[in-house]
Amino acid sequence: DAGVTQSPTHLIKTRGQQVTLRCSPKSGHDTVSWYQQALGQGPQFIFQYYEEEERQRGNFPDRFSGHQFPNYSSELNVNALLLGDSALYLCASNSGWGVETQYFGPGTRLLVL
Amino acid sequence: GNSVTQMEGPVTLSEEAFLTINCTYTATGYPSLFWYVQYPGEGLQLLLKATKADDKGSNKGFEATYRKETTSFHLEKGSVQVSDSAVYFCALPNLYSGGGADGLTFGKGTHLIIQP
Repeated sequence: DAGVTQSPTHLIKTRGQQVTLRCSPKSGHDTVSWYQQALGQGPQFIFQYYEEEERQRGNFPDRFSGHQFPNYSSELNVNALLLGDSALYLCASNSGWGVETQYFGPGTRLLVL
Repeated sequence: GNSVTQMEGPVTLSEEAFLTINCTYTATGYPSLFWYVQYPGEGLQLLLKATKADDKGSNKGFEATYRKETTSFHLEKGSVQVSDSAVYFCALPNLYSGGGADGLTFGKGTHLIIQP
């Protein structure tokens, strides 16, 4: 049973560029959440997708957008990259409503130069 | 909104020492509480959880008790091992404005270093 998978594992971009990160949820899960973890900090909630819609959003600008596909996989898009967007981006999945058992992927490490 | 405060590290202990990592929270109501662990170069793993007051979560020798009187959820282990070296995060659900819970709010993490 595959857990949460994310791609790519590492990525280097320059300021102003756009990036797309991908996530496949754990088998049987239909809800995907994205988090940003800056170096030395705890993860911060970006948004959550359920039934292909953004259900809740944290305190992140509109440069951060996402999408969920019918197979429950998800993408995180970040436009107009800033140096401060350098972080580990974590995807988590669970089933249905709430976060009682949320499984995390290994993350994508993004470096913006 | 909900928030978490946990002791800052790094915390350095010798093998077989007793461990306590403090965590206090601010929340509306009585949400579930979680401890996650992040080993070097890896993503987050759920270590344990408690879903209501006075519940004790436990896993791999770690324990934490949900104390609503002190709004705390301290992580403890009686005898730590080198393999326990990792970053530990206390967390609780966000509160969606509609009353449900979506996503998690994490503390800043406590880096634990166990020396042989």
